[in-house]
Amino acid sequence: KAGVTQTPRYLIKTRGQQVTLSCSPISGHRSVSWYQQTPGQGLQFLFEYFSETQRNKGNFPGRFSGRQFSNSRSEMNVSTLELGDSALYLCASSRSRGQETQYFGPGTRLLVL
Amino acid sequence: AQSVTQPDIHITVSEGASLELRCNYSYGATPYLFWYVQSPGQGLQLLLKYFSGDTLVQGIKGFEAEFKRSQSSFNLRKPSVHWSDAAEYFCAVGAYNNNDMRFGAGTRLTVKP
Repeated sequence: KAGVTQTPRYLIKTRGQQVTLSCSPISGHRSVSWYQQTPGQGLQFLFEYFSETQRNKGNFPGRFSGRQFSNSRSEMNVSTLELGDSALYLCASSRSRGQETQYFGPGTRLLVL
Repeated sequence: AQSVTQPDIHITVSEGASLELRCNYSYGATPYLFWYVQSPGQGLQLLLKYFSGDTLVQGIKGFEAEFKRSQSSFNLRKPSVHWSDAAEYFCAVGAYNNNDMRFGAGTRLTVKP
């Protein structure tokens, strides 16, 4: 079974731009969660989607948003990029919510200049 | 909300020596505990998990972890470390009703020849 895939793997943007990252979950998985990883803050939960609805959101500004499609694929968007948004963005999928194992993709490395 | 502490930022062990990585969690209900490993520039790979039952759990690559409720700990162990085990290790705690997983700061493992 194919794992979680994320595209693109690397991205360079400038301040003020916006970016969209994509995540395809493991087949049959209906929940997708996003995490931001930085050297200073570590791994932080961004949000969780299940059945095309955002179910939970971490402590991030409204510039960070996401959506989930009917095939469970998910996208996250960051508008008005700031230097501090440079990070590895990880997507994880699971069959359902709570008491589930989350499987991670390879991540998208975003560099904001 | 749940939280995780990994007291050791960096550990160095010799190849063939035993390893123990510490993890302490805080969660008001039954914890769902995980250990993940991350190689440089990669996503997170699940090593093992604890949901309930036997408090000693076996994982991949020869790793095991023991859940001790009285100490709020979930330490990871390996009897004999291989050079390929050099990576960063993350302990995480999940919730029973959502996928907001909280991670520790990670422990970087260096293996000496």
